[in-house]
Amino acid sequence: KAGVTQTPRYLIKTRGQQVTLSCSPISGHRSVSWYQQTPGQGLQFLFEYFSETQRNKGNFPGRFSGRQFSNSRSEMNVSTLELGDSALYLCASISGTGGARTEAFFGQGTRLTVV
Amino acid sequence: AQSVAQPEDQVNVAEGNPLTVKCTYSVSGNPYLFWYVQYPNRGLQFLLKYITGDNLVKGSYGFEAEFNKSQTSFHLKKPSALVSDSALYFCAVRDGTGGYQKVTFGTGTKLQVIP
Repeated sequence: KAGVTQTPRYLIKTRGQQVTLSCSPISGHRSVSWYQQTPGQGLQFLFEYFSETQRNKGNFPGRFSGRQFSNSRSEMNVSTLELGDSALYLCASISGTGGARTEAFFGQGTRLTVV
Repeated sequence: AQSVAQPEDQVNVAEGNPLTVKCTYSVSGNPYLFWYVQYPNRGLQFLLKYITGDNLVKGSYGFEAEFNKSQTSFHLKKPSALVSDSALYFCAVRDGTGGYQKVTFGTGTKLQVIP
């Protein structure tokens, strides 16, 4: 079956602009998590959506937002971009609903560069 | 709150030698533990997980990990390292008690296998 699809793969934006990243989870998965990966901070949890509802949120400013659609596809948006937002943004498609069978399957990520 | 520590930023090992990548964790409930590997410019790939049962867990590509409850550790091991094992390794934990909890990742350990 198809894996996790993140688009676009690479993006260059200017400070102050906004950006929207997309993630299509594995068919049948209802939960999606987003992570920011930078060399200095490692993997930082952004938020998680389950059935169109935000279930968990990390410690990021309000410029970072997300949503999930009825088909489980998710988008994350970053407004008023800053240089420090340059990172690899990873989406994880989560199987199960929190029990022992729950696993995270990652997409290849979107590399965002803010100039 | 749950947390993961990977005390080594980098581990160097000669090809053919055994390797160990260390991970310790902290959760208030039952730990669900995971190891992921990341190759350059790629997303994270699942290696193995511990949910319950045998303390020694076997995973992909000949990797295994040992769960030690008293030391709250989940070290990743391989009997004989390959150059192709060179990558970034992440340990992760989720509290398996009391409903859904997000996954927390360590900061990653870069494994360098020297020919």
